[in-house]
Amino acid sequence: GAGVSQSPSNKVTEKGKDVELRCDPISGHTALYWYRQSLGQGLEFLIYFQGNSAPDKSGLPSDRFSAERTGGSVSTLTIQRTQQEDSAVYLCASSLTGDTEAFFGQGTRLTVV
Amino acid sequence: GEDVEQSLFLSVREGDSSVINCTYTDSSSTYLYWYKQEPGAGLQLLTYIFSNMDMKQDQRLTVLLNKKDKHLSLRIADTQTGDSAIYFCAESRGTDKLIFGTGTRLQVFP
Repeated sequence: GAGVSQSPSNKVTEKGKDVELRCDPISGHTALYWYRQSLGQGLEFLIYFQGNSAPDKSGLPSDRFSAERTGGSVSTLTIQRTQQEDSAVYLCASSLTGDTEAFFGQGTRLTVV
Repeated sequence: GEDVEQSLFLSVREGDSSVINCTYTDSSSTYLYWYKQEPGAGLQLLTYIFSNMDMKQDQRLTVLLNKKDKHLSLRIADTQTGDSAIYFCAESRGTDKLIFGTGTRLQVFP
């Protein structure tokens, strides 16, 4: 596609439910990032993929969070047993390589009620 | 640490210049970026500078880099109301992840 696509754009879920967030990066981009932006806050790094492997998972806040990337393309971020503090906008970005311009998707706004 | 720091708010009058500052910690950073986030939108790259440069100008935008002090700034000339947004600086270190600052909310008033 022309840009980074994220789905859904909005998700409201009940506390304790699992959610999956999807990111379709720009075709051919090897690097993929997940960030979280809480209301009024900066960007919190979650995880970085180079191809299908994740050399840096240091930002995942707890073991309820996991992510995978298949075929060097689509990535899913899974949050298990969601909590209210997980409410945020989850942003995905991709770049051609790890040190070139990152293009961001519009984000998924997650609300846990 | 990995912190990239910015002041949280900046308010300027339309037509004046805006200067948004950023300090970073890793002297091995290769590229430094400025991103803009408008309300309800994703982040958009505004400009970037390679670490061996001191200055880069792009129309109304001027980026200054002081490697010795690890200080990066973005100057917007003739600031317009459409420039109101959150501005993030970010550093990359080779093929490693991008580290973003906390963001500076720029408000432009008439």
